Formats: sequence, structure tokens, C-alpha cells
Amino acid sequence: DTAVSQTPKYLVTQMGNDKSIKCEQNLGHDTMYWYKQDSKKFLKIMFSYNNKELIINETVPNRFSPKSPDKAHLNLHINSLELGDSAVYFCASSQDMSGRAGGDTQYFGPGTRLTVL
Amino acid sequence: SQQGEEDPQALSIQEGENATMNCSYKTSINNLQWYRQNSGRGLVHLILIRSNEREKHSGRLRVTLDTSKKSSSLLITASRAADTASYFCATRQGAQKLVFGQGTRLTINP
Repeated sequence: DTAVSQTPKYLVTQMGNDKSIKCEQNLGHDTMYWYKQDSKKFLKIMFSYNNKELIINETVPNRFSPKSPDKAHLNLHINSLELGDSAVYFCASSQDMSGRAGGDTQYFGPGTRLTVL
Repeated sequence: SQQGEEDPQALSIQEGENATMNCSYKTSINNLQWYRQNSGRGLVHLILIRSNEREKHSGRLRVTLDTSKKSSSLLITASRAADTASYFCATRQGAQKLVFGQGTRLTINP
């Protein structure tokens, strides 16, 4: 069974459209994340949820809205897509957010490659 | 925001040789983690070293941490073609997030 799954794997869309990416983890983790990886492979955190509560909201345009219906799911909705949104988006989860016990070890999904035309 | 910086950005070696990658960071940390990313895939956790540890081993991987120099190294011994991937360090900063570097792209030539 896949630990962290994302759908779709590829998403090609026109500028101005609204799209969603779904993420599910079956690891029983409390914390989930969205990362954006650009063409230079730089991985930047966008959001983090802990037990359905928003913990981290980096400087991300408010066109991006995460939603966590339960602690196993964290979806990402993007409004009015722009060319610069093209990237690979990764969902990840961790047991919790504790650094000392290694509870923040991240388990990544396979990524969603978003291409905005 | 602060981030780890890997060095070199790209490394190409022959199969069987050892590969060493370095990571430097700027703030105090709770732990430092190394991840591997194969082409077109998500990142996979390799090893975690706590701030009070100096060295850690896992199979062919050896990680060192020097908190006085704010640096870490990842050594892969007896490299294999399957080790070809990008390698990222991630530092735990404060209570809430890991910050990833830009990675070292490792190519193992047969």
C-alpha cells in the first residue's frame, strides 16, 4: 500500500483556471505538508497542518488554499492559475512535529507535476 | 529564510568509488536529515542525526555533523549505479519546519 498518495500525477491546464490536488496518507501521522519544487529543484514548504489545524503558512499567494477534512487528507486548491505556478508539488506527512525524537521525518508522496499554459 | 546549502551542486564519479556531499546551514538546529530523490519521484528519508550526535552510520551511508562549523557531510561508500539521484539535507529550525537545501545531483558512471 502506498503510504502517501497524490492525485493527479500530472496536471496540464490553462492560465486562469482553478485546480485541486489531493493527498492522502495511511501512516496514521498527525502532520501533513505541501511543498513546491521549482525547476532548479529547490524545495520550499508552503503549508503544514497538524491534526487538521494550520500550523505553517509560508508566504504563499492566497490563490493557494489548503483544506484538511481529516488528519489523513490534505488537499490543495489553486485559484486563477498563473504561469509561475508551474512546478512539482509534493505532499508529505510526518508522525508529528517534534525534532528531538525524529518525529518530523518526512514521508513524501510521488509529486504532482503542474504545467500552466 | 535560512536554508541548508549542499556542496557540490553536481558530482559525477565511477561506480565503486566513494561519494561525499556536504551541507552547511546557518542557524542552530535540533536535527539534520538527509534525503534522496530519484528522477521524477518524491524524496525518501535516508538518515537523521541529532544535534548532540557527531556521526551516524546506516549501511553504506555515513553522516557526520559538526555543529561548531554548522556543517554536515554524507558519505556513500562503494557507490552503485542505483545511487544516482539528488541528495538533499534538511535542517530542523525552530519548532515547526524543516528547511531543505537545493541538493547535490550525484551521477554514478558504470
